[in-house]
Amino acid sequence: DVVLTQTPPTLSATIGQSVSISCRSSQSLLHSNGNTYLNWLLQRPGQPPQLLIYLVSRLESGVPNRFSGSGSGTDFTLKISGVEAEDLGVYYCVQSTHAPHTFGAGTKLELK
Amino acid sequence: QVQLQQSGAELAKPGSSVKISCKASGYTFTSYYISWIKQTTGQGLEYIGYINTGSGGTNYNEKFKGKATLTVDKSSSTAFMQLSSLTPDDSAVYYCARGAAIRAYWGQGTLVTVSS
Repeated sequence: DVVLTQTPPTLSATIGQSVSISCRSSQSLLHSNGNTYLNWLLQRPGQPPQLLIYLVSRLESGVPNRFSGSGSGTDFTLKISGVEAEDLGVYYCVQSTHAPHTFGAGTKLELK
Repeated sequence: QVQLQQSGAELAKPGSSVKISCKASGYTFTSYYISWIKQTTGQGLEYIGYINTGSGGTNYNEKFKGKATLTVDKSSSTAFMQLSSLTPDDSAVYYCARGAAIRAYWGQGTLVTVSS
């Protein structure tokens, strides 16, 4: 199975600070159809996960543009440009290129 | 608006089965696959499988073959997941989500607790 390694496991930030989360894959996530199925999710406490970014860098409808995704192959990054209080929670990367689909272990974003 | 409404929490005995439902609304049910995901504190998020809501065709994570069975009822726009031969390791929150590769909508989750 593809292993997704997220770093850091915990991130402490102040409101307004910009932060980045890394997701590294044990295999290239480039699909034979040319797409790279790497998505980012946010799970707030007591809530189901919410899709933020799909296909590496596409912003899901309704998601603030302070969120951005980048990367290719095996190396991906989620950036939050100016953390807001509502951004606190656990961030997951998930790949759907290879079966079985797999999730990173998560990065918990908390207030400093 | 798109909604996925899951059935309520289940308390089950070891060796028994449970069947969780996921009722979709706000879109054409057969236009999107439904995925199922397991969440535990220890193992995090795990992909169980997905079902083609039009044809009923399924794709399972090998780990969950024999454990989970995915079905749909198109007449009620509802997807189901049956978990069989339950053990304490099956205690988790189970989510349904719309889509196979890009899951933009999730149900609220169903807590399954397996205990004697």
